[in-house]
Amino acid sequence: EMVLTQTPGTLSLSPGERASLSCRASQTVSSIYLAWYQQRPGQAPRLLIHGASSRATGIPDRFRGSGSGTDFTLTISRLEPEDFAVYYCQHYSSSGFTFGPGTRVDIK
Amino acid sequence: QLQLQESGPRLVQPSETLSLTCTVSGGSISSTNDYWGWIRQSPGKGLEWIGSIDYSGNTYYNPSLKSRVTISVDTSKNRFSLRLRSVNAADTAVYYCAREIRSFDYWGQGILATVSS
Repeated sequence: EMVLTQTPGTLSLSPGERASLSCRASQTVSSIYLAWYQQRPGQAPRLLIHGASSRATGIPDRFRGSGSGTDFTLTISRLEPEDFAVYYCQHYSSSGFTFGPGTRVDIK
Repeated sequence: QLQLQESGPRLVQPSETLSLTCTVSGGSISSTNDYWGWIRQSPGKGLEWIGSIDYSGNTYYNPSLKSRVTISVDTSKNRFSLRLRSVNAADTAVYYCAREIRSFDYWGQGILATVSS
């Protein structure tokens, strides 16, 4: 059973700062099956990154996904006010989908 | 622009069946490359995938919920549905429907379904 661990649980930063979010898988995964989502309060999740590093349609280039094997990272180069939200990683396999527990990015 | 909208009862009695429908507009549910999924989020918690279906009725489910879940599709009405049997308070959640192509790129707004007597 795949388990995704996201660290840190909460990240407190100021607008303009760089955010680095980690997602670690319990088993080696294919990068094409790793995605990242943003969820703002009261809203549905929004796909940011698929295939570990491909930005979804309309996603600003300050969002960058990277990694391989078991370790993946979502980097937000310069935080905008609308970026303070919860971020989830997700893995797909033929058995189904697993989500990480999320990282909350708070305003410091 | 593809849009998805969940509908159904917002209050369900314990031990009864939760039934929700997702209506797709702006595109066809019969696209051969697409699956359509249900995901839920308990209050203040993370995301849990429930299961997915394609236009021909092929399904796969979260093993932890499989014994209680049925997902079906109605291509004539461009919609798909979720049935979750024998619900209890732990099934209280916001239920989302979404289009799935190894990730979920289009989501409905979600519907809060509460299990309570």
